Amino acid sequence: AQSVTQPDIHITVSEGASLELRCNYSYGATPYLFWYVQSPGQGLQLLLKYFSGDTLVQGIKGFEAEFKRSQSSFNLRKPSVHWSDAAEYFCAVGARGNTPLVFGKGTRLSVIA
Amino acid sequence: NAGVTQTPKFQVLKTGQSMTLQCAQDMNHNSMYWYRQDPGMGLRLIYYSASEGTTDKGEVPNGYNVSRLNKREFSLRLESAAPSQTSVYFCASSVPAGSYNEQFFGPGTRLTVL
Repeated sequence: AQSVTQPDIHITVSEGASLELRCNYSYGATPYLFWYVQSPGQGLQLLLKYFSGDTLVQGIKGFEAEFKRSQSSFNLRKPSVHWSDAAEYFCAVGARGNTPLVFGKGTRLSVIA
Repeated sequence: NAGVTQTPKFQVLKTGQSMTLQCAQDMNHNSMYWYRQDPGMGLRLIYYSASEGTTDKGEVPNGYNVSRLNKREFSLRLESAAPSQTSVYFCASSVPAGSYNEQFFGPGTRLTVL
């Protein structure tokens, strides 16, 4: 069965510092991987996605993620965090077609001055 | 395009009352989903509809029913609300079959059951 683990429930970083959010997945076939962001009181917005090809993918808002098959990981990174990045971040795994995505439990990011 | 819309945005129910959460999408997507979000639990799938005319249970279907009214609309019904159903409910839709299943989310319905 598919599963996604986000080991960090809550992370606090200083504004301007770099960020890495971890995501590990379990999936039998080639996974399709996603990162979503949820600002307080809002729905989920897609940050970036990986289907195939280059294992380093670029997303919106300056985020990037790297797919590492050998480590079953898809970690999200940003070189310099802004206060507006404070939100909850969800990693998800899926497959081609209409099967539902499986989401991790999320990592809440706090940004301090 | 409005994307995925949900109504209502907020609702308070008493235990035992019923209600229907509405969801509509204008992106011509085949698949639609209902999730609930609870603190520390992430998003859990309640029901989904891979295509018009079909529905399937997800991880937490007990206490809920769904109707895929047409390609655009997918409603979630609570027949007899319980305090355990206090949650934020999200509807989502995904790109057509044969593609990569990127999901688009609505703004959510915050439901409180007293």
